[in-house]
Amino acid sequence: DAGVTQSPTHLIKTRGQQVTLRCSPKSGHDTVSWYQQALGQGPQFIFQYYEEEERQRGNFPDRFSGHQFPNYSSELNVNALLLGDSALYLCASSLGITLDTQYFGPGTRLTVL
Amino acid sequence: DAKTTQPPSMDCAEGRAANLPCNHSTISGNEYVYWYRQIHSQGPQYIIHGLKNNETNEMASLIITEDRKSSTLILPHATLRDTAVYYCIVLNSGGYQKVTFGTGTKLQVIP
Repeated sequence: DAGVTQSPTHLIKTRGQQVTLRCSPKSGHDTVSWYQQALGQGPQFIFQYYEEEERQRGNFPDRFSGHQFPNYSSELNVNALLLGDSALYLCASSLGITLDTQYFGPGTRLTVL
Repeated sequence: DAKTTQPPSMDCAEGRAANLPCNHSTISGNEYVYWYRQIHSQGPQYIIHGLKNNETNEMASLIITEDRKSSTLILPHATLRDTAVYYCIVLNSGGYQKVTFGTGTKLQVIP
């Protein structure tokens, strides 16, 4: 058990709606990264948060936004949902902003109808 | 884009060693090779990483060629629970990390 928790486990939304996913990092970790994994594909990097700021961002539109709280937990928000946003959303935590092993949570399965 | 190339799938008999290759011919001097695996519908799990020396831990061994252009992950005695997708990733030693996963190798351990 890596210690990273995510909620909810599953979520069903309709097109145009907004969704918020939550992540609590492993104890002692201060950096949170978010990934989107479509069926049959590897995880795709969305963004990374450290010290409550977005530090790195992948090729995702502004509809994807996030937040990190003082306790290092994080939220991923997706606005104006599209069918193509259906995926497994993974959160990973690590220590510091430089090279470190990432520990992944179990993910949130988002289905957009 | 991923900096690594892996075969899409491999089979291994239970109890035998599983050798998973990875090509990273454009790796630079400050870049490490990391391996993760993902069992169906779970989050990826860290396995091992290395820079240029061979590494071993309780899960696996990592063999990196002298020119560092390729590596092999070895699971010494594969079990059915090792059936998963294995990802080889290259990460630099400094700065912000933007981890890029490819499509990995689907390892099927056969009874």
